[in-house]
Amino acid sequence: SAVISQKPSRDICQRGTSLTIQCQVDSQVTMMFWYRQQPGQSLTLIATANQGSEATYESGFVIDKFPISRPNLTFSTLTVSNMSPEDSSIYLCSGIADNSYEQYFGPGTRLTVT
Amino acid sequence: DQQVKQNSPSLSVQEGRISILNCDYTNSMFDYFLWYKKYPAEGPTFLISISSIKDKNEDGRFTVFLNKSAKHLSLHIVPSQPGDSAVYFCAASANTGNQFYFGTGTSLTVIP
Repeated sequence: SAVISQKPSRDICQRGTSLTIQCQVDSQVTMMFWYRQQPGQSLTLIATANQGSEATYESGFVIDKFPISRPNLTFSTLTVSNMSPEDSSIYLCSGIADNSYEQYFGPGTRLTVT
Repeated sequence: DQQVKQNSPSLSVQEGRISILNCDYTNSMFDYFLWYKKYPAEGPTFLISISSIKDKNEDGRFTVFLNKSAKHLSLHIVPSQPGDSAVYFCAASANTGNQFYFGTGTSLTVIP
């Protein structure tokens, strides 16, 4: 299994600012993902973080709003840009080892935008 | 469109009894299904999974049943314990390493 940590665990931000969330995995994983969980809703995939190249975004999510980096196999960042109250959510990163379905999640970052 | 659905947002069960959590899906291409448990302020943790080539997988007190014709899976917890109180998500995937689709979760409360 993989242990995944995220920083910060929570933050309160003002409208129009940006926040970068860091995700660190204790072992190499093939795939890393970023999810959003809005209140009362399921986990929604934002993007797949690709090592050394641009992330692959799901429908409804764009790079200008959610730039993602993954400089190596164990680290990734997600930036929530030009925030609005609608971005208030829990953001989770996850990782999957090679040829595995089992996805491991970080503890999440609870973001509140005022 | 929600491809994985958990129609019961909450469930309460007495300690020692069976907990049954249900999940329905719409995409017939899904071939792998997982259950995750989530405590407050923590990320989801993997609980149990099942491949579409099976109809049952058991791990201790946890059993997952898959009915492909009905596009339905369920998680049985027997006997239920107060520490099982958490939100349970089912998830489905069509290929290894591909996107997972999550249900909205069922909050289980096991009453001592």
